[in-house]
Amino acid sequence: DGGITQSPKYLFRKEGQNVTLSCEQNLNHDAMYWYRQDPGQGLRLIYYSQIVNDFQKGDIAEGYSVSREKKESFPLTVTSAQKNPTAFYLCASSIRGRSTDTQYFGPGTRLTVL
Amino acid sequence: AQKVTQAQTEISVVEKEDVTLDCVYETRDTTYYLFWYKQPPSGELVFLIRRNSFDEQNEISGRYSWNFQKSTSSFNFTITASQVVDSAVYFCALSHLGGGSNYKLTFGKGTLLTVNP
Repeated sequence: DGGITQSPKYLFRKEGQNVTLSCEQNLNHDAMYWYRQDPGQGLRLIYYSQIVNDFQKGDIAEGYSVSREKKESFPLTVTSAQKNPTAFYLCASSIRGRSTDTQYFGPGTRLTVL
Repeated sequence: AQKVTQAQTEISVVEKEDVTLDCVYETRDTTYYLFWYKQPPSGELVFLIRRNSFDEQNEISGRYSWNFQKSTSSFNFTITASQVVDSAVYFCALSHLGGGSNYKLTFGKGTLLTVNP
């Protein structure tokens, strides 16, 4: 089945630790995105990548880092510099990197800082 | 500036009632796309519809229908004969093609729909 997978589903982190969230897609999409969702809020863009080996900051990139070494994979690292990392993280992909293209989402990772 | 407003934060209905979720947008683009997504309790956003600004025809898909009116900058979503499985948060989103932000999708804050049996 074609789709987007994210792992883990739940993640607990101690303060001061870096953690990496996985996102994999087998839709052969060029573009991938990371969003953060807080309770009662819409989605805010963290990073996006329109092509392999290239990525751009979104609206709230501080305290996060990404890599795009393979077309299928776009991992997100939440660093200790992120002041309030507890949130729901959603990964998405689209066929190209234009906002007119439909973005398809993964099931999300819920990160909790202990 | 791009903006999407979903004024209804929460709606509660009884099963089989019809319900309309409002979406009002602001954009300076002449060409744009609007989207609706459903987020059930599991968390994954499920794509429902994409509509471009040149197509103002209403769309119906089963119990779902969408009313796009450029004159009022609205793209409202109606569920007919609601069911408990329709309970979810629904997001409206707007594309942006200008000013170096052509990757950007602007989301509303969502409407939580609860359908009670």
